[in-house]
Amino acid sequence: DIQLTQSPSFLSASVGDRVTMTCRASQDIDNYLAWYQQEAGKAPKLLIYAASTLQSGVPSRFSGSGTGTDFTLTISNLQPEDFATYYCQQLNTYPPFTFGPGTKVEIK
Amino acid sequence: QVQLQQWGAGLLKPSETLSLTCAVSGGSISRDYWSWIRQSPEKGLEWIGEISHRGTTHYNPSLKSRVVLSIDSSKSQFFLNLTSMSAADTAIYYCAKVSGRTVTRRLDSWGQGTLVTVSS
Repeated sequence: DIQLTQSPSFLSASVGDRVTMTCRASQDIDNYLAWYQQEAGKAPKLLIYAASTLQSGVPSRFSGSGTGTDFTLTISNLQPEDFATYYCQQLNTYPPFTFGPGTKVEIK
Repeated sequence: QVQLQQWGAGLLKPSETLSLTCAVSGGSISRDYWSWIRQSPEKGLEWIGEISHRGTTHYNPSLKSRVVLSIDSSKSQFFLNLTSMSAADTAIYYCAKVSGRTVTRRLDSWGQGTLVTVSS
C-alpha cells in the first residue's frame, strides 16, 4: 500500500494567517492527490483534486501544489470556518486509496 | 448537486453482519463509482471499497474477505455488507460518490455518516 504522512499533525494559527501543510507519499503518485477538510462531527468535504484543482464552490484562499511524492495545501487569509482537520488522499494506486493521518488546524 | 443519505443499524454484537444503505438523489447512480469509507480514532480514514454502476467492485485487501458491495440502480441505492464484525470495526461509516477519471478522481459528495458500534 502507498503510505501518506502529513505534517505537522497540529497547527496553531490566527485568523488572517497564511498556513501551509504538507503530505508526503511513500512512492510516486504523480498528481493523483486530493485534499479534504473535516469539521468536527461532519463528513469530509472535498477541497482540491489532481493536486492543484480547486473543487467548485471552494474559496480561492485554498490552494494545492506538488507532484510525485511531495504535496502542499496552503490556506491564505485563514478564516474562522477554516479551523478543522485536513486530510490528503492518494488515488493513484489501488486498492486501497489511502488517506493521510490529518493535520488539525487550531485557533492560537 | 448529488446528495447521499445513508442508514443502517448502529449497534451490533461481535460476529454479526453490518448492513448499510446509501441512497443517491439529485443525480444519476448510473454513472461513476460509489465508495464506502470508515473512520475511527485508531485507524483514521480507511477506504473500504467502491462499486461501479455496472457492479464492478474494488475492495481494500485488508477487508476483502469480509466485505461485499452491491448496487440497485432501480432504487438509486448502493449497499455495504461487512461480516464477522468485531470491536475493531467500530467506526463512523461514510458513503461517497467518486467523480472523475484517472488523475481527476476524487470523492466529491459524502453521506452524513453512520456511527457503528460493536459491543457484546
